[in-house]
Amino acid sequence: KNEVEQSPQNLTAQEGEFITINCSYSVGISALHWLQQHPGGGIVSLFMLSSGKKKHGRLIATINIQEKHSSLHITASHPRDSAVYICAVRSPRDAGGTSYGKLTFGQGTILTVHP
Amino acid sequence: DGGITQSPKYLFRKEGQNVTLSCEQNLNHDAMYWYRQDPGQGLRLIYYSQIVNDFQKGDIAEGYSVSREKKESFPLTVTSAQKNPTAFYLCASRKTSGDYNEQFFGPGTRLTVL
Repeated sequence: KNEVEQSPQNLTAQEGEFITINCSYSVGISALHWLQQHPGGGIVSLFMLSSGKKKHGRLIATINIQEKHSSLHITASHPRDSAVYICAVRSPRDAGGTSYGKLTFGQGTILTVHP
Repeated sequence: DGGITQSPKYLFRKEGQNVTLSCEQNLNHDAMYWYRQDPGQGLRLIYYSQIVNDFQKGDIAEGYSVSREKKESFPLTVTSAQKNPTAFYLCASRKTSGDYNEQFFGPGTRLTVL
């Protein structure tokens, strides 16, 4: 079982629909990231959160530390939201007290929004 | 503008040749990372560097080598020992002071070995 699991793997929606992508993890973390990867391949960081909820425009990210679960929501989806959405978790500080910021990534969710 | 550049965007090499992928950042970040992405899989860490002249192996370092002679630069060499080098390679950097700093990613280099 992967340490970071995303669902669904593929998601197709009509423009305007509300979208939810889920991420579950099995390890201790210091933070969770949501990333967006467009067809060209470059990755953009959408959110970094360690508790609660964050909102940016039509995007909302939530995390439940006790349940080891995070969700990314897109309201009023648009074709330009079509991309791969990746969940990544950051490991806590290691025993030496340092943190090299290692990220463990989910496989990604391919979102396609049709007009 | 600050950011991370990777060049070239597409790279083709013959089997058995070493190839070096460039990664440069002007964000004044101490830490830099190399990841590999294969279809249907999450990104995997190849090497990382927390500081100049120091670097550590990640999860899949075999067949790769790196150097960190300057803070701004972290080139990755894919050697002929790497059995499946065809992949998408992403470089990232991060400010290390403080716990909650994001990683910034470059645009990536798609390597195809013929």
